[in-house]
Amino acid sequence: DTAVSQTPKYLVTQMGNDKSIKCEQNLGHDTMYWYKQDSKKFLKIMFSYNNKELIINETVPNRFSPKSPDKAHLNLHINSLELGDSAVYFCASSQEGMNQPQHFGDGTRLSIL
Amino acid sequence: GENVEQHPSTLSVQEGDSAVIKCTYSDSASNYFPWYKQELGKRPQLIIDIRSNVGEKKDQRIAVTLNKTAKHFSLHITETQPEDSAVYFCDGGGFKTIFGAGTRLFVKA
Repeated sequence: DTAVSQTPKYLVTQMGNDKSIKCEQNLGHDTMYWYKQDSKKFLKIMFSYNNKELIINETVPNRFSPKSPDKAHLNLHINSLELGDSAVYFCASSQEGMNQPQHFGDGTRLSIL
Repeated sequence: GENVEQHPSTLSVQEGDSAVIKCTYSDSASNYFPWYKQELGKRPQLIIDIRSNVGEKKDQRIAVTLNKTAKHFSLHITETQPEDSAVYFCDGGGFKTIFGAGTRLFVKA
């Protein structure tokens, strides 16, 4: 069974559209994250939730809105997509607290046309 | 703001040689230092981590050393193999995850 699963794996869409990426973990972890990895492979944290509460919100455009319906799910909705949003988005989870090993999903490759 | 610097950005070694990657961090409150390996097209995966109450940790061919005074920690891979070829990331951000820029390791057979 996949521990952290993201859908979709690939997302190709037009500029200006709105899209969502879903993430689910079955590890019983309390903390979940979203990361953006650009074409140069820089891996940057966007958001972190602990028990459905937002605890880290980096300098990310407010077109990006995370939603955590329960502690096993953390979805990412993006409005008005721009060319610069093209990247691989990784979801991750860990046990409660920031100083814990993180388990990553397989990533969602978002391409904006 | 807090910062993590990782060097080198690219490292090419012959199979069987050792590889060392170093990260320097700025947050003196950081006390957990993991290393992740990301193979091409795959997700990052934890390979080893160390907490600030120890100076060195080893797991077979992989080791991590920590110098809290100097605020740096290093990944050591001995007897490198072609399957070690990947991008390696350190995290030295403390409360907030801050990854280094990554090191692309090539192991030549």
